[in-house]
Amino acid sequence: AQRVTQPEKLLSVFKGAPVELKCNYSYSGSPELFWYVQYSRQRLQLLLRHISRESIKGFTADLNKGETSFHLKKPFAQEEDSAMYYCALSPSGTYKYIFGTGTRLKVLA
Amino acid sequence: GAGVSQSPRYKVAKRGQDVALRCDPISGHVSLFWYQQALGQGPEFLTYFQNEAQLDKSGLPSDRFFAERPEGSVSTLKIQRTQQEDSAVYLCASSLDGGGNTEAFFGQGTRLTVV
Repeated sequence: AQRVTQPEKLLSVFKGAPVELKCNYSYSGSPELFWYVQYSRQRLQLLLRHISRESIKGFTADLNKGETSFHLKKPFAQEEDSAMYYCALSPSGTYKYIFGTGTRLKVLA
Repeated sequence: GAGVSQSPRYKVAKRGQDVALRCDPISGHVSLFWYQQALGQGPEFLTYFQNEAQLDKSGLPSDRFFAERPEGSVSTLKIQRTQQEDSAVYLCASSLDGGGNTEAFFGQGTRLTVV
């Protein structure tokens, strides 16, 4: 079955501390993986996608096929990073997303 | 408008009532998606349109749910005889094409509460 697991519902860190939001997936093929973010009172928006290998707002994510993980990392958290983060998988050749249940990140001053 | 627009933002329906949720995608976007997000959950796929063609409706939970996009732009998600379990945020998204790696732009959602 195709599934995305985000084990943490809530993650609290202090400003300036490193952040890692965990995402594991279950998919037999080559997945396309994404992180979406939803700031307070805003719409869901793309943060980054694995195929681009980019860094957005200081966040990076590396696809580890051996561990079937796509964890989101940032070395120094900022208060404005506080938001809901969703990991999503798009089975190759399809158009739909399979989302995890999300992790709420709170960055404390 | 610059983004995906959904209306109404909030809808309270009595159990058994029919509701219609509207989505206005970004102009020129070929693909349109509907997702359902229950409280505390991630969005779950409902249906997909490429222009006016509904290519996938595998996520629609029952035959009470119906979606259309007759002219390949605005889409309506209709729920007949609403039940309490239909209470959720309904998200619409559009993308330039249907490719799996194409960014989807989401609307603000319609929060449906069935009482």
